[in-house]
Amino acid sequence: GAVVSQHPSWVICKSGTSVKIECRSLDFQATTMFWYRQFPKQSLMLMATSNEGSKATYEQGVEKDKFLINHASLTLSTLTVTSAHPEDSSFYICSAGLAGGYTGELFFGEGSRLTVL
Amino acid sequence: SQKIEQNSEALNIQEGKTATLTCNYTNYSPAYLQWYRQDPGRGPVFLLLIRENEKEKRKERLKVTFDTTLKQSLFHITASQPADSATYLCALPPFRRRSSNTGKLIFGQGTTLQVKP
Repeated sequence: GAVVSQHPSWVICKSGTSVKIECRSLDFQATTMFWYRQFPKQSLMLMATSNEGSKATYEQGVEKDKFLINHASLTLSTLTVTSAHPEDSSFYICSAGLAGGYTGELFFGEGSRLTVL
Repeated sequence: SQKIEQNSEALNIQEGKTATLTCNYTNYSPAYLQWYRQDPGRGPVFLLLIRENEKEKRKERLKVTFDTTLKQSLFHITASQPADSATYLCALPPFRRRSSNTGKLIFGQGTTLQVKP
């Protein structure tokens, strides 16, 4: 199956700093990637849809200036948590579907655990 | 948009028995529904997709049913094994209209299954 890789798998940072998380589709091209956030014992919450070559689409309640998304190529999307605070500590997961597939499965990365001190 | 309900209580069963997990949704019936498995600290892994015109889908020891009248999907694992212990997530497109979905999925909170030897 298709492989999605995330990096880093975990990161600890100080409050006020910015953290970048990378999401790569290793063996397929993804025009669209999705970023989710998951708090302990809770479901995945969709944050935004990352579109290659254009601006990301954010879900209601997600601050676009706080969570910067860049999808510069068909295999890479990045999420930057700017001026991170302890409440941003969470498990961030990206996913992608095969291009053109509206009803297909999503392939998820391994997730990135962010801890803000 | 869509709302998904999964039993938040953990399901504990004995090895060899059949596990049955429930996913209920409100509002409109989706064109398709998916089930994922998530292990602690990992991203979800796709298991099965069932479309609205399919009543049942099987894959090895897994079986999914889709009842659009009851607005419910059941996920069965037969001959369960301790290795099946994980959280199982139900996922749906957020809107009925395909153009609004573009591969996007929203997830239920998941049901944790514990299979005891």
